[in-house]
Formats: sequence, structure tokens, C-alpha cells
Amino acid sequence: QSVLTQPPSVSGAPGQRVTISCTGRSSNIGAGYDVHWYRLLPGTAPKLLIYGNSNRPSGVPDRFSGSKSGTSASLAITGLQAEDEADYYCQSYDSSLSGVVFGGGTKLTVL
Amino acid sequence: QVQLVESGGGVVQPGRSLRLSCAASGFTFSSYGMHWVRQAPGKGLEWVAVIWYDGSNKYYADSVKGRFTISRDSSKNTLYLEMNSLRDEDTAVYYCARDLGHFERGGSYFDYWGQGTLVIVSS
Repeated sequence: QSVLTQPPSVSGAPGQRVTISCTGRSSNIGAGYDVHWYRLLPGTAPKLLIYGNSNRPSGVPDRFSGSKSGTSASLAITGLQAEDEADYYCQSYDSSLSGVVFGGGTKLTVL
Repeated sequence: QVQLVESGGGVVQPGRSLRLSCAASGFTFSSYGMHWVRQAPGKGLEWVAVIWYDGSNKYYADSVKGRFTISRDSSKNTLYLEMNSLRDEDTAVYYCARDLGHFERGGSYFDYWGQGTLVIVSS
């Protein structure tokens, strides 16, 4: 059971927009801690997509965007491409656990 | 370019020990906090431990506290994870990751990760 809750799967057709939610509680996202997002592909190093709720590292396309409100955060991907098919994870900090916490991950399928 | 390369994984019996290494290159290793994160088969990511840039502080997930020890050798640009009293549930791919934030302020996030090393705990 992950501390941050994500939908197990989302899907969309090429060119469409999808969003992935990340729900926390008052000891993590709701406490004001930033949310970060990563993409995982089998056999490759995880990749940072969004940091500080809504910031993109250099090299990440602007098709990826993040937002945060209250105890939740979201990752939006527009103009879906086949290469976006991967697992996506949100991450934050939890003060009651005194450590980094992750969501359970969301598998994105491009139809 | 920044590179993190893990090694030391393998098959180990329950109750035994294993030491993982993470060789860092392409950046000033002694300036960054470093973490270990793991992913069990079919499961999500789980944070394991962090060590300060200078090794002065270390924090662990409750699931490994008292059994795992994180350390670093800046003369070798290498991060370590000593794992003792291994359990079946420690089976996972272990990643090392560079912290671009500040753990002490709850702001850790990881801009570079290694490709991981697989640890299988099985009799």
C-alpha cells in the first residue's frame, strides 16, 4: 500500500490528452511538500519529468505538465505519442514517516 | 555526462548479507546527497535510504532500519548499501539516485538515476 495514491492505469489514443492523479494527505502533499514525477521504462534508468510540482527539467517536452492543489497533484500529457507508453510515478516527502514517499505507479497505454 | 552505475546484486539466501555499490561520474560527487530506491517485482518504487553530501547524516525507511547501512567514499566517487539480515521481501531492483533537492527540508527529488542492480533473496 503506497502512501501516495495513483490510478493503476490510464490510456489514450495518439494525439489525445491524459492526466494521472496523485493523492496524498495532510502529512505529505497537504503539508506543502513538493510533488515530483518520474517515468520508468523496463531496463532503463528512471527519468525525472516534473520537479517542484510544475517545473520541467531541460529536455523534457512541454507536452508534459504538472500541477498541485490541496492534498493532490496531477501530471498531464498532451499530444500522446506511442513512446509515452510507460509507468509513471509521483514522489513527495512525508513528515510523519520522515522520509521520501512514492505513489504506486500508473501504467500509461497508448491505444 | 552524469553517470551512476550500480553493481553487487545477485542471489543471496535469507539472513545473509550483500553490499551494493554505485559508481558516480560526470559530476562533483561530494556535493550531492545520494539515495537508494528499490522496486520489488511487480511493485512500485520504495525509498530505502539517504546520505548527506558529506556523509554526516543518514536516514532510512522503517522497512530497512537496523539492517541496512548507507555509506559513501568520496575519494572513490562511490555510494554503498550494506544489506544485512536479508529477507525475501528485500528482493528488488535497487537504484541509486542523485538528490537535487534538500532532504532536511523535505525537498528531495532525483535528477539522475542508475539503471539498477537486481537483488534476489531466496533459499
